[in-house]
Amino acid sequence: AQSVTQLGSHVSVSEGALVLLRCNYSSSVPPYLFWYVQYPNQGLQLLLKYTTGATLVKGINGFEAEFKKSETSFHLTKPSAHMSDAAEYFCAVILGVSNTGKLIFGQGTTLQVKP
Amino acid sequence: EAGVAQSPRYKIIEKRQSVAFWCNPISGHATLYWYQQILGQGPKLLIQFQNNGVVDDSQLPKDRFSAERLKGVDSTLKIQPAKLEDSAVYLCASSAQGYEQYFGPGTRLTVT
Repeated sequence: AQSVTQLGSHVSVSEGALVLLRCNYSSSVPPYLFWYVQYPNQGLQLLLKYTTGATLVKGINGFEAEFKKSETSFHLTKPSAHMSDAAEYFCAVILGVSNTGKLIFGQGTTLQVKP
Repeated sequence: EAGVAQSPRYKIIEKRQSVAFWCNPISGHATLYWYQQILGQGPKLLIQFQNNGVVDDSQLPKDRFSAERLKGVDSTLKIQPAKLEDSAVYLCASSAQGYEQYFGPGTRLTVT
């Protein structure tokens, strides 16, 4: 069975501080991993993804994530938080490499950015 | 390129009533997904279509939920009759390559 665990349902940082959102997964097959962001009353927007190759993945808005197989982790980071980063963030994993991949989401982390 | 369109954006109904949601995916995307997102939780897949065929509906409560994708383009999701626990945001997503999914803005359903 696959699952995704996001540690911390709420994270609060000051503007300009490091953002670290944690995600651990369990999978019996090599995973595809994703981070999505959701702003209020909007759908999900893809921040970045890992499928194969380089384990450090860069995404939009200055975010990046590193796939660590030994730790089964895919934590999301950003060196300097901006007020506009305040949103809900979801980590997700996909089953296998078929064209019918099913996304399994974590429960989400709300990022608050304080001025 | 136009994104995934959904309507309505908001819907309030009483329990035991029926409701339908509509989704138009990105042009050319063969795969279409419906997710249910309950407040405070991540989205959960309800049903997945490949063209107009169902690939996965294992988590769709089939006694009250139904979905169709006629002609392999747009799709409707119906709930009949609705229960209080169906209050959620219903998200539609589409994909061309199977693993990168693009989401619509969602329909927020409130059942009173």
